Amino acid sequence: GAVVSQHPSWVICKSGTSVKIECRSLDFQATTMFWYRQFPKQSLMLMATSNEGSKATYEQGVEKDKFLINHASLTLSTLTVTSAHPEDSSFYICSVLKWRTEAFFGQGTRLTVV
Amino acid sequence: GQQVMQIPQYQHVQEGEDFTTYCNSSTTLSNIQWYKQRPGGHPVFLIQLVKSGEVKKQKRLTFQFGEAKKNSSLHITATQTTDVGTYFCAESSGNTPLVFGKGTRLSVIA
Repeated sequence: GAVVSQHPSWVICKSGTSVKIECRSLDFQATTMFWYRQFPKQSLMLMATSNEGSKATYEQGVEKDKFLINHASLTLSTLTVTSAHPEDSSFYICSVLKWRTEAFFGQGTRLTVV
Repeated sequence: GQQVMQIPQYQHVQEGEDFTTYCNSSTTLSNIQWYKQRPGGHPVFLIQLVKSGEVKKQKRLTFQFGEAKKNSSLHITATQTTDVGTYFCAESSGNTPLVFGKGTRLSVIA
């Protein structure tokens, strides 16, 4: 099946700094990737849809200037959390849809902003 | 957008007991998928149901899709400690992102 690799798996950063998270589809060309955020003991909330070669589509309430998404190739999407604050601490996870239905997820990135 | 309601939110069972989680929608679902997320891990696809009234089994897990395609259930027979995790239902339509239920967190007491 599709293998999605996400890096880093965890990161601690200082308030005000930026953090880049990479999501790679290792054996599948993904024109679309999805970014989710999951707070402790809660469900996955879709943040944005990353489209190869075009602008990402953000869900309502997600600041596009704060969560920068770049999908420069068919196998790589990046999410940059800019000017991070402690409330941005969360589990960020990407996914791709293979066969237009089954979702494969990256390992997730646990971000802690101190 | 489409919302799937999932109950219960938490379930604590003794090892060997059965467990069921339910997913409900006010509108007809094109399909329903189930995922399992272990503590600290990422969601892993379990199964997809598409047909009205469909029932699928995976060892001790039984998945059902309602006749009206508005509800689904996941039943685990004789739970084991390896079943611990959060079970999510989700609906997908074509190439659109999955809409997840809130999940049911299962803990199994040995």
